[in-house]
Amino acid sequence: ETGVTQSPTHLIKTRGQQVTLRCSSQSGHNTVSWYQQALGQGPQFIFQYYREEENGRGNFPPRFSGLQFPNYSSELNVNALELDDSALYLCASSQNTYTQGGEAFFGQGTRLTVV
Amino acid sequence: AQKVTQAQTEISVVEKEDVTLDCVYETRDTTYYLFWYKQPPSGELVFLIRRNSFDEQNEISGRYSWNFQKSTSSFNFTITASQVVDSAVYFCALSEANRGSTLGRLYFGRGTQLTVWP
Repeated sequence: ETGVTQSPTHLIKTRGQQVTLRCSSQSGHNTVSWYQQALGQGPQFIFQYYREEENGRGNFPPRFSGLQFPNYSSELNVNALELDDSALYLCASSQNTYTQGGEAFFGQGTRLTVV
Repeated sequence: AQKVTQAQTEISVVEKEDVTLDCVYETRDTTYYLFWYKQPPSGELVFLIRRNSFDEQNEISGRYSWNFQKSTSSFNFTITASQVVDSAVYFCALSEANRGSTLGRLYFGRGTQLTVWP
């Protein structure tokens, strides 16, 4: 086990709704990254939080937003859900320094289905 | 531009066969890291290995071995004497570390589905 936990594990939402996914990072890790993995594809980087601030963002619209808390846990929020948002959402925690990124350890993911 | 290419979408082998999963990457950074992850049906990505761009030594861990060649921008993964439990999707990934990069951001390939038959 990696020590990274995500909740919920499965979720069904209706198009147009909003959703919040949660991630508890591994002890000692200061960085959380979120990835979206569509069926049959590799994970795509959504954004990263480092010490409670957004530290990089992939090619995702602003309706994808996030937070990181003082204990380094994190939330991913998606507004105005679309059918194409159906995917496995993975959270990864790592210990990054100013010069070097550490290994990323992943949670089990949240499978979101938008109907 | 695609940064990581895994040309093999699916591979099927019979138990005890050796199998090599190919990975080709693209980056302009001089400092970068390469990874392999395993994704079983449960969905969690399991970390297998991390190599930095300055260390081209091949690595062996039990039945697993990795061949890193900067000259061909490849980081291939070989499983020796495959077992049914090796069945999973395997992802190769790249992380860049030069100024302007998001430290630890992973660029994944599309994955290779490995099926090992008994």
